[in-house]
Amino acid sequence: DAGVTQSPTHLIKTRGQQVTLRCSPKSGHDTVSWYQQALGQGPQFIFQYYEEEERQRGNFPDRFSGHQFPNYSSELNVNALLLGDSALYLCASSLRGQSTDTQYFGPGTRLTVL
Amino acid sequence: GQNIDQPTEMTATEGAIVQINCTYQTSGFNGLFWYQQHAGEAPTFLSYNVLDGLEEKGRFSSFLSRSKGYSYLLLKELQMKDSASYLCAVRDHRRSGYSTLTFGKGTMLLVSP
Repeated sequence: DAGVTQSPTHLIKTRGQQVTLRCSPKSGHDTVSWYQQALGQGPQFIFQYYEEEERQRGNFPDRFSGHQFPNYSSELNVNALLLGDSALYLCASSLRGQSTDTQYFGPGTRLTVL
Repeated sequence: GQNIDQPTEMTATEGAIVQINCTYQTSGFNGLFWYQQHAGEAPTFLSYNVLDGLEEKGRFSSFLSRSKGYSYLLLKELQMKDSASYLCAVRDHRRSGYSTLTFGKGTMLLVSP
C-alpha cells in the first residue's frame, strides 16, 4: 500500500522564480492538504483540496496556488519566490468522511530560495 | 483564532518516562493529534483523541481534557530512537463542513544514555 509521495525531494530556486511541487496521496485517500514548515517551527496550513477544489485556505498570499487532479494527486505552485519561502513543504492526505480523518504526511520537498 | 502551546525542549534518560504537555484554545474543537517528527523527515501519526480520557498504544499514551483545553503525550521506557520533535495538532470543524489542522511549534525531546 503506497504512502504519500512527493517530488522533488529538494529544490533550489532564486528570488522571483516560480516553483511547482507535486504530491500523490496515499492509496484510497481523496483529500490533500499542503503545509509549510520553517526550521524549528510546526507545519503551517496552506490550503486543502477535495474534489478538485480548494476547500480551506490558511493565511498565505495569492502567490501560493494549487490544483487537484481527477486521480486525487495535487500540485502546489508558488510564484515570485521570496527568500522567506525557503522551507520544507509537506503534503498530507486523508479520506474525507472517515471518523478520525487522520492526515498522513509525505516526505516533503525542501525548497531553498537564494 | 487558535493558540497551541507546548514546551520547546525536554530532556530525559533512556528507560525513563516523559510527559509532553499541550494546551490549546480553539473554537469548534474536533480532535487532537500527536505526531512524531525526526529531523529532516515527515511527521508520522502517533495518536488521536476526540473524547476525554486516555488512549494507550504500546509505549505511547495520550490524554485529553476538553474542558481544560489540555492534552499530554506520555512516552514510557524511553529509547534513543525516541529523540525527535513531538507535534501537538488540533482539528477544528468549520461551518463550511471542512476541518483544518493547526499545529503547535513542537517539543524537541532529547533522550540521553
